[in-house]
Amino acid sequence: QKEVEQDPGPLSVPEGAIVSLNCTYSNSAFQYFMWYRQYSRKGPELLMYTYSSGNKEDGRFTAQVDKSSKYISLFIRDSQPSDSATYLCAFGPDNYGQNFVFGPGTRLSVLP
Amino acid sequence: GAGVSQSPSNKVTEKGKDVELRCDPISGHTALYWYRQSLGQGLEFLIYFQGNSAPDKSGLPSDRFSAERTGGSVSTLTIQRTQQEDSAVYLCASSLGQGSTDTQYFGPGTRLTVL
Repeated sequence: QKEVEQDPGPLSVPEGAIVSLNCTYSNSAFQYFMWYRQYSRKGPELLMYTYSSGNKEDGRFTAQVDKSSKYISLFIRDSQPSDSATYLCAFGPDNYGQNFVFGPGTRLSVLP
Repeated sequence: GAGVSQSPSNKVTEKGKDVELRCDPISGHTALYWYRQSLGQGLEFLIYFQGNSAPDKSGLPSDRFSAERTGGSVSTLTIQRTQQEDSAVYLCASSLGQGSTDTQYFGPGTRLTVL
C-alpha cells in the first residue's frame, strides 16, 4: 500500500460547482495535514493546513480530516476558473521527523 | 520579499552529460529541500539540508545524484551522467527550519529534459 493515495483526476467542473478532493494515507504517525495548490509551470504553494480531525474553513475552502479513517478532503465552494490548478495533499512529519510526504496531485479544471 | 529562486528554468541536455541545478532560498531560511516531480508521480523527496549539513539524504535515487549547500544559503543539485529517466521538474523549497511542520516555500522549479 502506498503511503499516500490521491485520485489523480483530471477533474473538470463548471464554474460555481462544489469540488471535493480526497486523499488517503497509511501512516498513523502523521500529525500535520496540508493542501498545496500548484499552478502550471509554478511551484506548489501552501493553501491550508491543520493538525486535528474535523473541519477547518478559510473562505471558499474547507479542509476536513478524519484521522480514524486516515482520510482527508479539500472542499471548494463556488469554484472559479482561477481555482484551476493541481492540488496536492501533504502530510508530516515523515518517519525521519523532518519532511513532508506528498500525494501525486489532482488536476482540477473549472470551466467558465 | 523575494521568494525561492531556481536556475536555470529549463535545461535540455544529452544523455551522459552532467548538469548542475541551483537554488537560492528565502533569506534567513535555514532548511532547504530538493524534490523531483515527474508526470503523475507527485513530489519525490530527494534531500534535506539544515544549514550546510544534510541529515537526510535518503531520497537520492542513485550515486549519480549529489547536492551541496554553502554558507547556509545557495544549494546546488548535481546529476552526473544523466539518463533519460532523470527527465523531470526539480523543485527546491525552503523553510525557517525551526520545526518539522514549518511551511515550505517552493521555487518555480527547473525543468530538465535528457535527450
